Amino acid sequence: GENVEQHPSTLSVQEGDSAVIKCTYSDSASNYFPWYKQELGKGPQLIIDIRSNVGEKKDQRIAVTLNKTAKHFSLHITETQPEDSAVYFCAASRDLKFSGGYNKLIFGAGTRLAVHP
Amino acid sequence: GAGVSQSPSNKVTEKGKDVELRCDPISGHTALYWYRQSLGQGLEFLIYFQGNSAPDKSGLPSDRFSAERTGGSVSTLTIQRTQQEDSAVYLCASSLGYKDYEQYFGPGTRLTVT
Repeated sequence: GENVEQHPSTLSVQEGDSAVIKCTYSDSASNYFPWYKQELGKGPQLIIDIRSNVGEKKDQRIAVTLNKTAKHFSLHITETQPEDSAVYFCAASRDLKFSGGYNKLIFGAGTRLAVHP
Repeated sequence: GAGVSQSPSNKVTEKGKDVELRCDPISGHTALYWYRQSLGQGLEFLIYFQGNSAPDKSGLPSDRFSAERTGGSVSTLTIQRTQQEDSAVYLCASSLGYKDYEQYFGPGTRLTVT
């Protein structure tokens, strides 16, 4: 079945450094790749997403890159701040046209990011 | 505006008891999803609703789990005869419609079965 692997499981950086989280997916029909941030006691919040028709997307300090050939995508956070500390999840899903019209997200296991002042 | 809400936020129950978890999606969102998040794990898909119907129940782990949605809005996830392995955070998400990728998550219900 579909699978998404995420690495590393934990990541510790100093404030101001960059952080990179990587995911690989198994379903070659996947074409939507969101990233969620989950703070303690809260539900996941979408921070950025990318469709398979682009290779990179940026939003201020965060960016996502996608390599469809290799079936992997990555989250890049620059100039990290303590408030970036959270658990980050990647996910993948198929084109809604081929999935019965709904977005069945397959999630990675998560990366716990700690940003130290 | 109001986001997805879930109740209760925490639930402690004894093994063998039934529990009901509630989800109030964002107003106007026709698609609703339930996920389970076990300790230190990613999110596991349970069930999807479009309106009041559930085209995909494939993620429900056993026949002790059921869910319904009424009026195209509120959804209830019911777990009968709870087991310790049911302990997890149960998350609900909603989206605008069946062609909308973005899902908005609620804060979850933390279920502990003793």
